[in-house]
Amino acid sequence: SYELTQPPSVSVSPGQTARITCSGDALPQKYAVWYQQKSGQAPVLLIYEDTKRPSGIPERFSGSSSGTMATLTISGAQVEDEADYYCYSIDSSGDYYVFGTGTKVTVL
Amino acid sequence: QVQLVQSGAEVKKPGASVKVSCKASGYTFTGYYMHWVRQAPGQGLEWMGWINPHSGDINYAQKFQGRVTMTRDTSISTAYMELSRLRSDDTAVYYCARDAAPSYYGQVVYFDNWGQGTLVTVSS
Repeated sequence: SYELTQPPSVSVSPGQTARITCSGDALPQKYAVWYQQKSGQAPVLLIYEDTKRPSGIPERFSGSSSGTMATLTISGAQVEDEADYYCYSIDSSGDYYVFGTGTKVTVL
Repeated sequence: QVQLVQSGAEVKKPGASVKVSCKASGYTFTGYYMHWVRQAPGQGLEWMGWINPHSGDINYAQKFQGRVTMTRDTSISTAYMELSRLRSDDTAVYYCARDAAPSYYGQVVYFDNWGQGTLVTVSS
C-alpha cells in the first residue's frame, strides 16, 4: 500500500501564513493535489499538479513540491479558511489512489 | 456548469446492500471517468474505485473488491455504486467525484467536481 502523511493540526492567526505538509515516497514522480473540506461539505479542489490553482480559488492558496514532500501554503489566512485539508496522489505503480491523513486548520 | 447530484440518505441493516446514484449534468457524461470516495464519521477520505462511463471499464480498490459494483446508465447520465454485505464500519458519507482528465487520455488524474455526498448508516 501507499501512505501520504500530514500533520493532524495547524493553527494560524488571521493574516498570518500557514503551511501544511504532505509526505510520500512517490511524490518525486507523482503530482500532489490538495482539497479543502469545510464541516459538513464535500471537498473542494484547491491545488492540482503540485502548484496549479483552479479558477475561483483565492491567490492566497499556493502549492509547492520538493522531493518527497508537498506543501500547501495559505498566505494571509482568513477565518473562512478554517477547514480540513487533504493531499492526494497516486503511488509510483499507479495502483493506489491515496488521500493524506488530513490536517485540521484552525484560524484564531 | 458541472453538477453531480446524489441520491438521498439511506439506513440499512448489517448484511444488506445499498445502491447510491450520482446524476451528472453540465458536461458529456461519457467523456470523463467517475470515482467513488467515502468518508466515515470523523475520519479521512478513502478512494473506492472508478468507472469509465463510456466503456463501462471499472477499477476497484482492493479493499472493496468482491463487495462493490460500479455501473452506469448513459441514457440518463447517471453512475451507481452498490456496496453489499454491509457492516457497521461501512457507515459513511459516500461521494461521487468526476475525474479531471477526459477519458480518452486513458488515465485518471484527480477529482475536480464532487457530488454533495450520501450518508449511508448501517445499524441493526
